[in-house]
Order: sequence, then C-alpha cells, then structure tokens
Amino acid sequence: QLQLQESGPGLMRPSETLSLTCTVSGDSISRSGYYWGWVRQPPGKGLEWIGSIYYSGTTYYNPSLESRLTISVDTSRSQFSLELSSVTAADTAVYYCARHLRVELFDSWGRGILVPVSS
Amino acid sequence: FILTQPHSVSESPGKTVSISCTRSSGSIASYSVQWYQQRPGSAPTTVIYEDYRRPSGVPDRFSASIDSSSNSGSLTISGLKTEDEGDYYCQSYDSRNHVVFGGGTKLTVL
Repeated sequence: QLQLQESGPGLMRPSETLSLTCTVSGDSISRSGYYWGWVRQPPGKGLEWIGSIYYSGTTYYNPSLESRLTISVDTSRSQFSLELSSVTAADTAVYYCARHLRVELFDSWGRGILVPVSS
Repeated sequence: FILTQPHSVSESPGKTVSISCTRSSGSIASYSVQWYQQRPGSAPTTVIYEDYRRPSGVPDRFSASIDSSSNSGSLTISGLKTEDEGDYYCQSYDSRNHVVFGGGTKLTVL
C-alpha cells in the first residue's frame, strides 16, 4: 500500500528557506503516468497547489510561487523535495505531499506537516 | 483560471444537496473535474474523479456532472448522513498542467 510521509522543520523564521521532503513507500516513485506534488493549506483556509514533479525531473509550478520555488526528485531514495525561499507568515500552512495520476487525480496523500513561520 | 464554489451549504439528514464549481476560463469539458472530501484534521480523500466517476468504496449517494452551458461542475450528495459533513473541494487543471483547487465548500448536515 502506497504511503507518503512528509518531513521537515517544526518552525521557520521569516526570510528563511523552507525545505520539506516526502518519502514514498509501497510503490515505485518512477511509476509511469504518476506525478508527485505538494499542496498546502493555511490554518482555516482552503487547499493550494504548490507544484508537482515527474520522476524524469519535469516540473510544474504554481505561477504565484514559481519565483521562490524548487521541487526536485531523488528516485534512488524514493523521495521528492520542496524548497520555498524567503518565507513569510503567509506561508504558514499544513504542507501535504501527494501522488497524482497524470495531472488530474490526487489519489494518495501524506498526513501533512504543519509549518509555522514566525519571528 | 479560478474555480468558484459556494462558501457553505447545509441540509437535513436524508435530503439531497448539490455543490457547484464554476470555471472562470477554459472549457469545463476539456479538463476533468475531481471532488475531494476533507474532514477536520485529515488529508483530503477523493469522492469523484474524471467528472463523474466514483472510486471504489465511495457510496453511490455521491454523484457529479459537468454543464458546458454554465461552464461548471456539480457534486450531488443524496440521502445525506451526518458523516457526510466536512469540506468539499473541486479541482481541475489547464493546458500548462497547472492544478487549481476551488475555494472549498463547508457542508453542514443538521
């Protein structure tokens, strides 16, 4: 059974770079047709797609975050990662990693990790 | 593009409720619509994919459709149960593979 597990810092300071990793188990990160993405949810608010990556390294980013965002994949470790630079309080959110079929269906999610940004 | 949903809906147990999702640009028929249910403290789960398909395990009380004339999708839940309460999000994408979620609709079954 596919499992995704987010890992990262418990607290960020403004202007720092957020780094999160998602470890995939139970299936191959190189499975054809599946993308690996990041979705965030500020407290009490809705879902926001951050960006996604294919195992080949092809990336798709939310235009509103693209200038601060890097998503990478390490197939040897079955991991994909997110780096978001120059964080502010507005980046405080639960960050989910997820798998999605083609671009469309998010069919498996991690449990999410809360990342507060505060001075 | 953006996907617009009502902020909240409420209905009594046993009744039927519909949640709309209107696409601002691009044809609703060209890019599939998915629907997710999210309960407090949990990750979203899929209730509808590819406009109207139900994953295994989702009861047939959940159905969905798209309407090209209004450029919108709609999720319908019949025979409402208290366990259906939660937030519902529609989701689609565009030609550049950019994913968009709707703002979410809070369903209250009272």
